[in-house]
Amino acid sequence: SQQGEEDPQALSIQEGENATMNCSYKTSINNLQWYRQNSGRGLVHLILIRSNEREKHSGRLRVTLDTSKKSSSLLITASRAADTASYFCATVLGTGRRALTFGSGTRLQVQP
Amino acid sequence: ETGVTQSPTHLIKTRGQQVTLRCSSQSGHNTVSWYQQALGQGPQFIFQYYREEENGRGNFPPRFSGLQFPNYSSELNVNALELDDSALYLCASSAPGLRTDTQYFGPGTRLTVL
Repeated sequence: SQQGEEDPQALSIQEGENATMNCSYKTSINNLQWYRQNSGRGLVHLILIRSNEREKHSGRLRVTLDTSKKSSSLLITASRAADTASYFCATVLGTGRRALTFGSGTRLQVQP
Repeated sequence: ETGVTQSPTHLIKTRGQQVTLRCSSQSGHNTVSWYQQALGQGPQFIFQYYREEENGRGNFPPRFSGLQFPNYSSELNVNALELDDSALYLCASSAPGLRTDTQYFGPGTRLTVL
């Protein structure tokens, strides 16, 4: 079963616009990560935010984490056609194995 | 590129057959995790190997088995293939000793079961 759910499932924007994707999860976590996947290829790690952090930046990416609401958001600013991909949030549980539990993903289409 | 390689890239099998997928981890990584990704879904955790021992397993039947070798490369074996096993199989390597849970994924093996 999926730990997290992304919203929206699909998003289509114009180049230059900002894209915001949301992720909700069910159980307490150690950290939350965002990954990107280009058309059925391997996943690429984008950013990791720990449970004691509220916001993190990396280039054009901004991630927020609200542990009281069990939710996170990924903002991509000034989007480019090359940002077209599926984006997944993944959590590592607070205890036990260090495996990733993925959501179902947001498919982002950036129109040139 | 992550440095994680998988073989083969694509594979077609028939129901009831057995398949072995291979993964070479990134240099310095002692942990390999395997995931199954059905079309349009997020990856689902199959199992993880740490220093040649299974270190956790997801909700997959025993006909999914694995192995990790002394050089930390890994194999995923699936027996008695079913149509629902058709998916992209991803392996990821990591180094928990570095106090990070970031995983580095290979390009995947696309398995089709007819």
